[in-house]
Amino acid sequence: DQQVKQNSPSLSVQEGRISILNCDYTNSMFDYFLWYKKYPAEGPTFLISISSIKDKNEDGRFTVFLNKSAKHLSLHIVPSQPGDSAVYFCAASSLSGGTSYGKLTFGQGTILTVHP
Amino acid sequence: ETGVTQSPTHLIKTRGQQVTLRCSSQSGHNTVSWYQQALGQGPQFIFQYYREEENGRGNFPPRFSGLQFPNYSSELNVNALELDDSALYLCASSLALGSNYGYTFGSGTRLTVV
Repeated sequence: DQQVKQNSPSLSVQEGRISILNCDYTNSMFDYFLWYKKYPAEGPTFLISISSIKDKNEDGRFTVFLNKSAKHLSLHIVPSQPGDSAVYFCAASSLSGGTSYGKLTFGQGTILTVHP
Repeated sequence: ETGVTQSPTHLIKTRGQQVTLRCSSQSGHNTVSWYQQALGQGPQFIFQYYREEENGRGNFPPRFSGLQFPNYSSELNVNALELDDSALYLCASSLALGSNYGYTFGSGTRLTVV
């Protein structure tokens, strides 16, 4: 049972345009969400997070939107740069206890390619 | 400030053998988690250690076991290796329990079982 899903295995975007990566979840206990970026031969690197008490969080070129009723979150990268080309993972957790406390449940990842 | 270091970076084992993977957590971090990432998949939670005690375990059989030491470094042991155990094993450390403290990941150990 895949509790966190990234339905797009890959995304190709032109430099300077917006990249939108999507993620859906099913577990109502998830109340904290994170995005990680991963380059080959490196571990995942934290990008941005959002708590379920917010619907948007912004950090420079990166913005994460959370739609709790739809159990959907998205990561917007504006403007996209070639150095953003990597695998992006969304992850979900619970801050309020339960079996998901302190544990990250990841999606399958989306390969983003930004063309110059 | 050093990050999370994992050793070895790669290894090849034969089915049925045992393996130990090692992780040095980031300075000041007392929580370590281990994840398995199969090819084309996202990382899957194996277990987590907080101050030398196991604190949460994912859907992995008992032949996956771990330890955390007083200096908060950690080991992942896998017994009776199977071909499906071939994966990238990631270690992540955190300042404390709770995802809001953030996790720093190591570069992983690539295990191949033949």
